[in-house]
Amino acid sequence: SQTIHQWPATLVQPVGSPLSLECTVEGTSNPNLYWYRQAAGRGLQLLFYSVGIGQISSEVPQNLSASRPQDRQFILSSKKLLLSDSGFYLCAWRRTSGKYNEQFFGPGTRLTVL
Amino acid sequence: AQSVTQPDIHITVSEGASLELRCNYSYGATPYLFWYVQSPGQGLQLLLKYFSGDTLVQGIKGFEAEFKRSQSSFNLRKPSVHWSDAAEYFCAVGSGYSTLTFGKGTMLLVSP
Repeated sequence: SQTIHQWPATLVQPVGSPLSLECTVEGTSNPNLYWYRQAAGRGLQLLFYSVGIGQISSEVPQNLSASRPQDRQFILSSKKLLLSDSGFYLCAWRRTSGKYNEQFFGPGTRLTVL
Repeated sequence: AQSVTQPDIHITVSEGASLELRCNYSYGATPYLFWYVQSPGQGLQLLLKYFSGDTLVQGIKGFEAEFKRSQSSFNLRKPSVHWSDAAEYFCAVGSGYSTLTFGKGTMLLVSP
């Protein structure tokens, strides 16, 4: 079966510090991968998605970047965090075989920027 | 561009009562639709999905949803709510490409 991991689970960082959040998927190959941010009352905002190694699509201009160094690894980064980067970050994956596949979500990372 | 509207930010239902959560979508072609549930501090879990066929879709935990093309709606229902159903519910629409568009969510509160 497939599983998705995110770490860390929680993170408190000062403004201006760097960020690295990691997401890994097990039990599947060549998945589509996604990073979302969830802020209170604003639903899920898609930040980045990837259809393959080294292929990253950015949905909104921001202080963050993403990388996919391996097939089942997706990393969200920032060089200098802003207060507005606080939120709940969710990683998701989707099978690429088939057109109407659902996304499966990880447990999330709670980021607080102080 | 596709969009999803969940008009109710919060809904309170008595335990044992029926539930309907509303979802309206905007999309130019035949969409595929999802309902997800999120408990506090956790990821999203898929309840059900629709992409073709019978417009009444059964999901997990006793939930069902009905696709109504004429109303651009995909409302989620449950005949009898349990206290454990208290969570946030998200409707999402996909276009056959890689991404989904989510609504802002409806928070369900269950009163005893």
